[in-house]
Amino acid sequence: AQSVTQPDIHITVSEGASLELRCNYSYGATPYLFWYVQSPGQGLQLLLKYFSGDTLVQGIKGFEAEFKRSQSSFNLRKPSVHWSDAAEYFCAVGVMIKAAGNKLTFGGGTRVLVKP
Amino acid sequence: DVKVTQSSRYLVKRTGEKVFLECVQDMDHENMFWYRQDPGLGLRLIYFSYDVKMKEKGDIPEGYSVSREKKERFSLILESASTNQTSMYLCASSLKRSGEKLFFGSGTQLSVL
Repeated sequence: AQSVTQPDIHITVSEGASLELRCNYSYGATPYLFWYVQSPGQGLQLLLKYFSGDTLVQGIKGFEAEFKRSQSSFNLRKPSVHWSDAAEYFCAVGVMIKAAGNKLTFGGGTRVLVKP
Repeated sequence: DVKVTQSSRYLVKRTGEKVFLECVQDMDHENMFWYRQDPGLGLRLIYFSYDVKMKEKGDIPEGYSVSREKKERFSLILESASTNQTSMYLCASSLKRSGEKLFFGSGTQLSVL
């Protein structure tokens, strides 16, 4: 069965500093990979996704993620964090189900705090 | 924009009550999902449906059932609520294509006393 691990439960970063959130997955085939963000009191919003091709994926709000098959990782990065990036971030792996699309398995999440 | 609407933002129920959580999407999506979100555990899939009257168990279906009588509506049912079902419940929908993203509702915070 597939699984997703986000090793960091909390990360505190200063505004303007860079941010990297780790994600490791376990899945037997080439996965579909996603990063979602949940801002306080908000629903989950898709930041970016990876299916195939270029292993560096650009997303919204200045985020990017890199797929590394050899490390089973899909880490999320942002060069310069803004106070509005304080949120909880979830990595997910998508698994095909009966040719009916995919279901997502999520990691435990990483809560990001931004210091002024 | 896709809209996934969950009927209640907050619910308080008593142990043993039957609880219905309703979800409606307005984008004609084939797939619908119910997740629960708990601190440190992320989102865990309870049930999903890829067509009307079709349902599949997710990772934690025990204590829950679902109903999908119309394409746009997906209901989660707690037959006899228990305190360990206190959680945030998130509904989501997507197209029936590989790699499609999920659109989420705002969630229902359920407290079982």
